[in-house]
Amino acid sequence: GAVVSQHPSRVICKSGTSVKIECRSLDFQATTMFWYRQFPKQSLMLMATSNEGSKATYEQGVEKDKFLINHASLTLSTLTVTSAHPEDSSFYICSARTGQGLNTEAFFGQGTRLTVV
Amino acid sequence: AQSVTQLGSHVSVSEGALVLLRCNYSSSVPPYLFWYVQYPNQGLQLLLKYTSAATLVKGINGFEAEFKKSETSFHLTKPSAHMSDAAEYFCAVWGGSNYKLTFGKGTLLTVNP
Repeated sequence: GAVVSQHPSRVICKSGTSVKIECRSLDFQATTMFWYRQFPKQSLMLMATSNEGSKATYEQGVEKDKFLINHASLTLSTLTVTSAHPEDSSFYICSARTGQGLNTEAFFGQGTRLTVV
Repeated sequence: AQSVTQLGSHVSVSEGALVLLRCNYSSSVPPYLFWYVQYPNQGLQLLLKYTSAATLVKGINGFEAEFKKSETSFHLTKPSAHMSDAAEYFCAVWGGSNYKLTFGKGTLLTVNP
């Protein structure tokens, strides 16, 4: 299957700083990329949907100014957690969609464990 | 709107025993349904998907799932559990043109020797 690379896999940052997470589709062009947040022992919560060259669509309750998403190309999307606080500590996972209709499929990155101290 | 409910947050089986993970869906349109597996501190890997073709879907690692419209279910099964099957399993539904996946809360599968 297609490969989605997410970097870094783990990051520890100080409260008040910003952290950038990259999501790359290595062998395909992603029509759409998604960013999820996962709390311990819980399901994935969709944060935002991004299409190349346009503004991300955020889910209700997700702060746009805190979680900045840039989708500069068909193979790269970035999530920047700005002015991070301990409550932002979580597991963040990106997903890239390829294909159309019945052939569409979502491939997931390996996730980023963010710890804000 | 679409949603999925996974019955049982934790399922424990013995190695070699049948694995049954339950998922019920709610959808106002014909659903596309998925099962994903997640190993600790990793992303999700697609096990199988239902996209309105055959109701019995075979996936990787010996897993299969049957779509039952009358029961609004899409349960995941494997005849014989292996130690390497221990992981978190998520059922998901994708409906509509927005291509957003809605996930269930997950079921942790443990396999006892």
